[in-house]
Amino acid sequence: GENVEQHPSTLSVQEGDSAVIKCTYSDSASNYFPWYKQELGKRPQLIIDIRSNVGEKKDQRIAVTLNKTAKHFSLHITETQPEDSAVYFCAEGPSGYSTLTFGKGTMLLVSP
Amino acid sequence: DAGVTQSPTHLIKTRGQQVTLRCSPKSGHDTVSWYQQALGQGPQFIFQYYEEEERQRGNFPDRFSGHQFPNYSSELNVNALLLGDSALYLCASGRTDYGYTFGSGTRLTVV
Repeated sequence: GENVEQHPSTLSVQEGDSAVIKCTYSDSASNYFPWYKQELGKRPQLIIDIRSNVGEKKDQRIAVTLNKTAKHFSLHITETQPEDSAVYFCAEGPSGYSTLTFGKGTMLLVSP
Repeated sequence: DAGVTQSPTHLIKTRGQQVTLRCSPKSGHDTVSWYQQALGQGPQFIFQYYEEEERQRGNFPDRFSGHQFPNYSSELNVNALLLGDSALYLCASGRTDYGYTFGSGTRLTVV
């Protein structure tokens, strides 16, 4: 991976609303797109990932969509809860165990 | 528990000193990668080790070096520490195409 742009840098929503975070990348060789959640002072935790042969993947309230032609992918969180508040990072790489290039992160704040 | 163990958890060093950070990968993982995460930034790739050799390297100076042992554990060494080396250093382990698991990191402060 070479460059990953992530938007927005901060996102404030009310509990129960949906949140969407978007990332764009430049490397055509990218095939693996994970999303990590990092709470203050803790390690990044993988919350969902998608590979280039899949356009969408869902896990309960979290979903990721990938548009390989346009080189962008998005994280969707529905029915947000205060415990969803954290910094979210997108990343990309050639494969699941290769080096990853991370975005700069999105601070999500969910207000009760 | 992530299964990836890093030590120490916190470290304070003086400029010009050398530091060694350690990582034990999750059981069954044979690949170890190191990342540097500055405050407010995403993790940046330093290097990756597989079969005791450096397989890939990011854009970091030669002051950053590493090693992987036969039991897959790894060390990150940084020489001639600079203030800008202050960061959270993350170790991530993986195997084949199963993706990464990150450790809790070592918080390095250079004064």
